[in-house]
Amino acid sequence: EVTLLESGGGLVQPGGSLRLSCAASGFIFRNYVMSWVRQAPGKGLEWVSGLSGSGGDTYYADSVKGRFTISRDNSKNTLYLQMNSLRAEDTALYYCAHQKLGSYSRWGQGTLVTVSS
Amino acid sequence: SYDLTQPPSVSVSPGQTATITCSGNNLGGRNAGWYQQKPGQSPLLVIYQDNKRPSGIPERFSGSNSGNTATLTISGTQSMDEADYYCQAWDSRNAKDVFGSGTTLTVL
Repeated sequence: EVTLLESGGGLVQPGGSLRLSCAASGFIFRNYVMSWVRQAPGKGLEWVSGLSGSGGDTYYADSVKGRFTISRDNSKNTLYLQMNSLRAEDTALYYCAHQKLGSYSRWGQGTLVTVSS
Repeated sequence: SYDLTQPPSVSVSPGQTATITCSGNNLGGRNAGWYQQKPGQSPLLVIYQDNKRPSGIPERFSGSNSGNTATLTISGTQSMDEADYYCQAWDSRNAKDVFGSGTTLTVL
């Protein structure tokens, strides 16, 4: 069974940094595109970033490009999201998602990031 | 940027058919996915590649995609289907994924 477990969220001041992790199990991690999707309180889903199985191709939403970096360690079956220069509008529940055939077939439970002074 | 537009809300009576639309430029030329999200839960994929159902998704969920509109249809809607629904498609021109704004389905 595919399992995704996010961690690393918390309260951070504007301008601060945070690194999210997503531990994956139940599938051959290196074979799949993995992504981060966020949801601000009471709002809809927003795609943040995606990464190819090899780690060679990265994709970012305009809202985070230049501030966030997605990466993966296939030896540890773990996906990361390094978030720098955080803003209040980055406050959201961040989901790790497994991508298959162009859709997000499995989602984690999410980790909450709150940017506030 | 590529946008996907959904109606904010749809209402349906139990046992009737619910139709949720998702509009985007040449959406029919892309693969559309649909997600169900209930309060306090993570999203759940209900349709992928326009019209395919993942294992475990009831047959009453179906999808279609043509022209500029993808459609999620729920036949014989049940109270348990009350949720927010989001469409999704890959914007290959800009190498970004896109979610629709979401539709709240009310069963009353």
